[in-house]
Amino acid sequence: KAGVTQTPRYLIKTRGQQVTLSCSPISGHRSVSWYQQTPGQGLQFLFEYFSETQRNKGNFPGRFSGRQFSNSRSEMNVSTLELGDSALYLCASSPTLLPGQGDIQYFGAGTRLSVL
Amino acid sequence: AQKITQTQPGMFVQEKEAVTLDCTYDTSDPSYGLFWYKQPSSGEMIFLIYQGSYDQQNATEGRYSLNFQKARKSANLVISASQLGDSAMYFCAMTQVSSASKIIFGSGTRLSIRP
Repeated sequence: KAGVTQTPRYLIKTRGQQVTLSCSPISGHRSVSWYQQTPGQGLQFLFEYFSETQRNKGNFPGRFSGRQFSNSRSEMNVSTLELGDSALYLCASSPTLLPGQGDIQYFGAGTRLSVL
Repeated sequence: AQKITQTQPGMFVQEKEAVTLDCTYDTSDPSYGLFWYKQPSSGEMIFLIYQGSYDQQNATEGRYSLNFQKARKSANLVISASQLGDSAMYFCAMTQVSSASKIIFGSGTRLSIRP
Protein backbone atom coordinates (compact mmCIF):
# COMPACT_ATOMS: atom_id res chain seq x y z
CA LYS A 1 0.00 0.00 0.00
CA ALA A 2 1.48 3.35 -1.00
CA GLY A 3 2.14 5.88 1.74
CA VAL A 4 1.31 9.57 1.85
CA THR A 5 2.80 11.34 -1.15
CA GLN A 6 3.67 15.00 -1.12
CA THR A 7 4.77 16.99 -4.13
CA PRO A 8 6.99 18.76 -4.77
CA ARG A 9 9.64 17.80 -2.24
CA TYR A 10 11.50 21.10 -2.53
CA LEU A 11 10.36 24.53 -3.60
CA ILE A 12 12.02 27.92 -3.83
CA LYS A 13 9.88 31.02 -4.13
CA THR A 14 10.31 34.75 -3.66
CA ARG A 15 8.39 37.07 -1.35
CA GLY A 16 4.98 38.02 -2.63
CA GLN A 17 4.53 34.93 -4.77
CA GLN A 18 2.01 32.23 -4.09
CA VAL A 19 2.56 28.50 -3.85
CA THR A 20 0.47 25.34 -4.03
CA LEU A 21 1.50 22.11 -2.34
CA SER A 22 -0.08 18.77 -3.05
CA CYS A 23 -0.80 15.75 -0.88
CA SER A 24 -2.10 12.34 -1.89
CA PRO A 25 -3.26 10.35 1.15
CA ILE A 26 -3.04 6.64 1.74
CA SER A 27 -5.70 4.84 -0.25
CA GLY A 28 -8.91 4.68 1.75
CA HIS A 29 -8.00 7.49 4.11
CA ARG A 30 -10.54 10.28 4.13
CA SER A 31 -8.89 12.78 6.45
CA VAL A 32 -5.95 14.94 5.44
CA SER A 33 -4.19 17.31 7.82
CA TRP A 34 -1.46 19.85 7.19
CA TYR A 35 1.31 20.95 9.53
CA GLN A 36 4.03 23.56 9.38
CA GLN A 37 7.41 22.79 10.95
CA THR A 38 9.96 25.52 11.66
CA PRO A 39 12.99 25.55 13.96
CA GLY A 40 11.49 28.38 15.99
CA GLN A 41 7.86 27.33 16.32
CA GLY A 42 8.16 23.58 16.01
CA LEU A 43 5.26 21.63 14.55
CA GLN A 44 2.03 23.55 14.21
CA PHE A 45 -1.34 22.39 12.96
CA LEU A 46 -2.65 24.26 9.94
CA PHE A 47 -5.95 22.60 9.06
CA GLU A 48 -7.71 19.33 8.42
CA TYR A 49 -10.03 18.26 5.65
CA PHE A 50 -12.50 15.43 5.73
CA SER A 51 -14.82 14.58 2.87
CA GLU A 52 -13.93 17.82 1.08
CA THR A 53 -14.83 19.96 4.10
CA GLN A 54 -12.50 21.80 6.42
CA ARG A 55 -13.20 20.24 9.80
CA ASN A 56 -10.52 21.81 11.95
CA LYS A 57 -8.31 24.86 11.69
CA GLY A 58 -5.20 26.13 13.45
CA ASN A 59 -4.13 29.69 14.16
CA PHE A 60 -2.72 30.77 10.85
CA PRO A 61 -3.57 33.84 8.77
CA GLY A 62 -5.98 33.68 5.87
CA ARG A 63 -3.06 33.56 3.43
CA PHE A 64 -2.96 29.85 4.21
CA SER A 65 -5.78 27.92 2.64
CA GLY A 66 -6.50 24.44 1.49
CA ARG A 67 -8.97 22.20 -0.20
CA GLN A 68 -9.72 18.54 -0.63
CA PHE A 69 -10.97 16.83 -3.73
CA SER A 70 -13.47 14.00 -4.05
CA ASN A 71 -10.61 11.46 -4.27
CA SER A 72 -9.31 12.77 -0.89
CA ARG A 73 -6.25 14.39 -2.44
CA SER A 74 -5.56 17.74 -0.86
CA GLU A 75 -3.82 20.94 -1.82
CA MET A 76 -2.52 23.69 0.36
CA ASN A 77 -2.07 27.22 -0.93
CA VAL A 78 -0.07 30.07 0.53
CA SER A 79 -0.55 33.47 -1.03
CA THR A 80 1.65 36.53 -0.74
CA LEU A 81 4.59 34.58 0.62
CA GLU A 82 6.66 36.00 3.46
CA LEU A 83 10.17 35.07 4.53
CA GLY A 84 8.70 33.52 7.68
CA ASP A 85 6.75 31.02 5.60
CA SER A 86 9.97 29.12 4.93
CA ALA A 87 9.34 25.76 6.53
CA LEU A 88 8.80 22.07 6.10
CA TYR A 89 5.14 21.48 5.32
CA LEU A 90 3.93 18.05 6.34
CA CYS A 91 0.75 16.37 5.26
CA ALA A 92 -0.83 13.50 7.17
CA SER A 93 -3.71 11.21 6.43
CA SER A 94 -5.86 9.05 8.67
CA PRO A 95 -8.79 6.74 8.09
CA THR A 96 -11.05 8.79 10.37
CA LEU A 97 -14.69 7.89 10.06
CA LEU A 98 -15.74 9.59 13.26
CA PRO A 99 -13.68 11.84 15.54
CA GLY A 100 -11.98 9.72 18.12
CA GLN A 101 -8.93 9.52 20.33
CA GLY A 102 -7.27 6.76 18.43
CA ASP A 103 -6.86 8.05 14.92
CA ILE A 104 -3.30 7.50 13.90
CA GLN A 105 -2.05 10.00 11.39
CA TYR A 106 0.49 8.86 8.82
CA PHE A 107 2.77 11.50 7.44
CA GLY A 108 4.37 12.15 4.11
CA ALA A 109 7.99 13.17 3.61
CA GLY A 110 7.04 16.84 3.45
CA THR A 111 7.61 19.75 1.12
CA ARG A 112 10.50 22.00 2.06
CA LEU A 113 9.61 25.57 1.07
CA SER A 114 12.23 28.28 0.96
CA VAL A 115 11.11 31.88 0.52
CA LEU A 116 13.82 34.27 -0.66
CA ALA B 1 -5.22 24.33 27.27
CA GLN B 2 -3.63 21.16 26.01
CA LYS B 3 0.14 21.01 26.05
CA ILE B 4 2.94 18.51 25.53
CA THR B 5 6.28 18.98 27.29
CA GLN B 6 9.53 17.25 26.38
CA THR B 7 12.29 18.39 28.70
CA GLN B 8 15.24 16.66 27.03
CA PRO B 9 16.41 18.64 23.99
CA GLY B 10 19.13 16.10 23.25
CA MET B 11 20.39 12.74 24.46
CA PHE B 12 23.41 10.57 23.74
CA VAL B 13 23.13 6.84 24.29
CA GLN B 14 25.51 3.96 23.70
CA GLU B 15 24.42 1.44 21.10
CA LYS B 16 22.50 -1.55 22.53
CA GLU B 17 21.54 0.33 25.68
CA ALA B 18 17.93 1.10 26.56
CA VAL B 19 16.80 4.71 26.49
CA THR B 20 13.83 6.55 27.97
CA LEU B 21 12.52 9.73 26.38
CA ASP B 22 10.39 11.83 28.69
CA CYS B 23 7.00 13.32 27.89
CA THR B 24 4.41 15.00 30.07
CA TYR B 25 1.09 16.30 28.90
CA ASP B 26 -1.69 18.53 30.07
CA THR B 27 -5.33 18.30 29.06
CA SER B 28 -8.74 18.68 30.64
CA ASP B 29 -10.32 16.32 28.15
CA PRO B 30 -10.88 12.85 29.70
CA SER B 31 -10.57 11.19 26.29
CA TYR B 32 -7.30 11.61 24.46
CA GLY B 33 -4.63 9.75 22.57
CA LEU B 34 -0.88 9.89 22.99
CA PHE B 35 1.61 9.23 20.22
CA TRP B 36 5.29 9.05 19.57
CA TYR B 37 6.76 9.89 16.19
CA LYS B 38 10.31 9.60 14.90
CA GLN B 39 11.69 12.11 12.44
CA PRO B 40 15.00 11.22 10.77
CA SER B 41 17.00 13.86 8.94
CA SER B 42 15.02 13.11 5.77
CA GLY B 43 12.06 14.88 7.36
CA GLU B 44 9.38 12.23 7.22
CA MET B 45 7.43 11.78 10.44
CA ILE B 46 7.27 8.06 11.26
CA PHE B 47 4.57 6.76 13.60
CA LEU B 48 6.00 4.59 16.38
CA ILE B 49 3.40 3.89 19.05
CA TYR B 50 -0.01 4.93 20.35
CA GLN B 51 -1.69 4.91 23.78
CA GLY B 52 -5.33 5.75 24.42
CA SER B 53 -6.33 7.43 27.64
CA TYR B 54 -8.64 4.55 28.55
CA ASP B 55 -6.17 1.81 27.75
CA GLN B 56 -5.36 -0.19 30.84
CA GLN B 57 -2.10 -1.63 29.62
CA ASN B 58 1.01 0.11 28.37
CA ALA B 59 1.39 0.02 24.60
CA THR B 60 4.25 -1.93 23.04
CA GLU B 61 5.46 -2.14 19.44
CA GLY B 62 8.56 -4.24 18.97
CA ARG B 63 11.46 -2.43 20.65
CA TYR B 64 9.23 0.49 21.59
CA SER B 65 7.08 0.68 24.68
CA LEU B 66 5.13 3.55 26.16
CA ASN B 67 5.27 3.97 29.92
CA PHE B 68 1.86 5.52 30.55
CA GLN B 69 1.31 7.00 34.01
CA LYS B 70 -2.07 8.67 33.84
CA ALA B 71 -2.10 10.20 37.32
CA ARG B 72 1.26 11.84 36.67
CA LYS B 73 0.24 12.75 33.11
CA SER B 74 3.36 11.23 31.66
CA ALA B 75 3.87 9.11 28.56
CA ASN B 76 7.53 8.21 28.31
CA LEU B 77 8.90 6.29 25.34
CA VAL B 78 11.25 3.42 26.10
CA ILE B 79 13.48 2.07 23.33
CA SER B 80 15.13 -1.20 24.21
CA ALA B 81 18.46 -2.27 22.71
CA SER B 82 19.09 0.95 20.80
CA GLN B 83 20.51 0.81 17.30
CA LEU B 84 22.45 3.33 15.22
CA GLY B 85 19.38 3.78 13.04
CA ASP B 86 17.48 5.09 16.05
CA SER B 87 19.36 8.38 15.83
CA ALA B 88 16.67 10.94 15.02
CA MET B 89 14.30 13.52 16.49
CA TYR B 90 11.51 12.04 18.57
CA PHE B 91 8.22 13.83 19.11
CA CYS B 92 5.59 13.14 21.71
CA ALA B 93 2.12 14.17 20.56
CA MET B 94 -1.50 14.19 21.67
CA THR B 95 -4.97 14.32 20.21
CA GLN B 96 -8.21 14.93 22.07
CA VAL B 97 -11.67 13.65 21.29
CA SER B 98 -12.88 17.23 21.10
CA SER B 99 -10.52 17.90 18.17
CA ALA B 100 -9.25 14.50 17.21
CA SER B 101 -7.74 15.46 13.90
CA LYS B 102 -5.49 18.10 15.46
CA ILE B 103 -2.22 16.76 16.82
CA ILE B 104 -0.40 18.81 19.44
CA PHE B 105 3.32 18.11 19.31
CA GLY B 106 6.04 18.53 21.89
CA SER B 107 9.28 20.30 21.06
CA GLY B 108 11.10 17.05 20.44
CA THR B 109 14.17 15.22 21.71
CA ARG B 110 17.19 14.66 19.49
CA LEU B 111 18.51 11.17 20.18
CA SER B 112 22.02 10.27 19.09
CA ILE B 113 23.24 6.68 19.33
CA ARG B 114 26.99 6.20 19.81
CA PRO B 115 28.61 3.07 18.28
